[in-house]
Amino acid sequence: DIQMTQSPSSLSASIGGRVTITCQASQDISNYLNWYQQKPGKAPKLLIYDASNLQTGVPSRFSGSGSGTDFSFTISSLQPEDIAIYYCQQYDQIPPTFGRGTKLEIK
Amino acid sequence: QVQLQESGPGLVKPSETLSLSCNVSDYSIRSGYYWGWIRQSPGKGLEWIGSIYNTGSTYYNPSLKSRVITISLDMSKNQFSLKLSPVTAADTAVYYCARGGLSTIGLFDYWGQGILVTVSS
Repeated sequence: DIQMTQSPSSLSASIGGRVTITCQASQDISNYLNWYQQKPGKAPKLLIYDASNLQTGVPSRFSGSGSGTDFSFTISSLQPEDIAIYYCQQYDQIPPTFGRGTKLEIK
Repeated sequence: QVQLQESGPGLVKPSETLSLSCNVSDYSIRSGYYWGWIRQSPGKGLEWIGSIYNTGSTYYNPSLKSRVITISLDMSKNQFSLKLSPVTAADTAVYYCARGGLSTIGLFDYWGQGILVTVSS
């Protein structure tokens, strides 16, 4: 299975601040990388697909980049409603696999 | 807006069969897309269990394949289902059903709310 390593596992940031999360795949996955947001008691929500494409309806402060093995996810201006756990997920190979998540908190 | 809703027992005894259904609303599963099951536990995080295409083709996580009895479609009810057996305490998790991609298993754009399944005697 392809291992997805996210960092950091948690971070604190200020409202209005910029947040960046990284995700590294254990092998080349091209751009088959998604990012999800999960709030407490809720299902994950797809934010970014194919590494850099914004899912319909998702605010433009969210963005993603990368290809191959190294990817990043950025929130350009953190809002209170962005407090959640963020996961990366690869789908280049079966089984699709997820990172362990990054818990985002307000500073 | 596609909606998915899981249903099934919240408590299953060890060695028995976990059976869940996912009702899909506002989209006909016969029209296409992969339909999948994903679970989440504190120990293993998010774990893909398996998916089915509208043709009935199935794909399972190799780590669970020996215990996934079936993932199946019921076109008449616009539902798909999961059967996993035998279960142990390690199968305790929140189980989600989700829509995959049109041509790829792993792009999960719509999810159910999740159902907590506890394996305990």
